[in-house]
Amino acid sequence: KQEVTQIPAALSVPEGENLVLNCSFTDSAIYNLQWFRQDPGKGLTSLLLIQSSQREQTSGRLNASLDKSSGRSTLYIAASQPGDSATYLCACAGNYGQNFVFGPGTRLSVLP
Amino acid sequence: EAGVAQSPRYKIIEKRQSVAFWCNPISGHATLYWYQQILGQGPKLLIQFQNNGVVDDSQLPKDRFSAERLKGVDSTLKIQPAKLEDSAVYLCASSLGRPVSGLDYGYTFGSGTRLTVV
Repeated sequence: KQEVTQIPAALSVPEGENLVLNCSFTDSAIYNLQWFRQDPGKGLTSLLLIQSSQREQTSGRLNASLDKSSGRSTLYIAASQPGDSATYLCACAGNYGQNFVFGPGTRLSVLP
Repeated sequence: EAGVAQSPRYKIIEKRQSVAFWCNPISGHATLYWYQQILGQGPKLLIQFQNNGVVDDSQLPKDRFSAERLKGVDSTLKIQPAKLEDSAVYLCASSLGRPVSGLDYGYTFGSGTRLTVV
């Protein structure tokens, strides 16, 4: 059974810092891994999707990496802004890209 | 393109009462999911539909939870009777059910229904 953990549970940084969020999973037989953002009272917004054959994906100031052999993924946020404040969740998909198993999330606060 | 619609946004009920949530997925999305997200945790899949058939309901507490998607479009999730530990956000998501270009299922979440059981 897949289990996903995220470290740290919460993070507070000053504006402009580069930061790394970590995600670990127990079963390396994943189809893909996805990073989501969740704002308070809102649903989840997909940020980046990495297929199991890929090592990283980039979108703007976000870069996500995947190391299946070690069961780890990182989300790198460059030059953080107050608007980046949210909870970030990673999710591993089996079964041809569906049936996500989510981590508990990292709550990020970027202080102006 | 309209997103995944859910209602109500908030609901407060007493324990042992019943409650129902409604979800209208994105048009053309064959797969619909209900997730339960307890405060401080990631979403947990309760049930997955492919059109109007159930694909996975292994984590649905069937003694009190039920869900249906009769016409393969919108869906309802019901809790009867509710317990205090059912307090959570209930998220609905939908996807194409098949990959586009081997990559994107168009997986989209609704804003959720926040349930408080007192």
